[in-house]
Amino acid sequence: EAGVAQSPRYKIIEKRQSVAFWCNPISGHATLYWYQQILGQGPKLLIQFQNNGVVDDSQLPKDRFSAERLKGVDSTLKIQPAKLEDSAVYLCASSLAAYTTDTQYFGPGTRLTVL
Amino acid sequence: RKEVEQDPGPFNVPEGATVAFNCTYSNSASQSFFWYRQDCRKEPKLLMSVYSSGNEDGRFTAQLNRASQYISLLIRDSKLSDSATYLCVVRWTGNQFYFGTGTSLTVIP
Repeated sequence: EAGVAQSPRYKIIEKRQSVAFWCNPISGHATLYWYQQILGQGPKLLIQFQNNGVVDDSQLPKDRFSAERLKGVDSTLKIQPAKLEDSAVYLCASSLAAYTTDTQYFGPGTRLTVL
Repeated sequence: RKEVEQDPGPFNVPEGATVAFNCTYSNSASQSFFWYRQDCRKEPKLLMSVYSSGNEDGRFTAQLNRASQYISLLIRDSKLSDSATYLCVVRWTGNQFYFGTGTSLTVIP
């Protein structure tokens, strides 16, 4: 079974530039999550989709971050404009559904460095 | 107060030792509990779910104490391959997942 795919794996940009990350979840997984993991910290949920609808985006900095999952499969996360504190690993995860015991499978992440 | 708190360690233990990690959570309405393992520069992977009655998977035992809002992970007979960061994860109502900062374990030959 193919895992969660993410691209790019690494990205270096200057502050105030824009950047976009792509995620392809495991086939058939209805729920998709984007997390931000800053060095030395645990992942922080940014946004959760159920199919193409947003379930939770309470921790997404909406002034600069946006995400979409138009057809209920692939998703993109965008930062515009980037700040130094956005340097982190952006992890995408998916699960079959949103049940309380459902396992999340993570992709390899995109490591973003903002200079 | 953070939603999920863990002792970051690091824990450095010899092979064969038993080591325990603890985690506390702030929301008494939390529904589900997990331990994830994260290797250096890799993504987190599910180690085990934590059930109210406690559960065991080989050398790993997880316990949940709802009254004290406390979760634990016990690793017996530590192997070199157990070296990683262990993340405590709590799921609230509304499908919100909260991760702890992780506890670093190094098993020494």
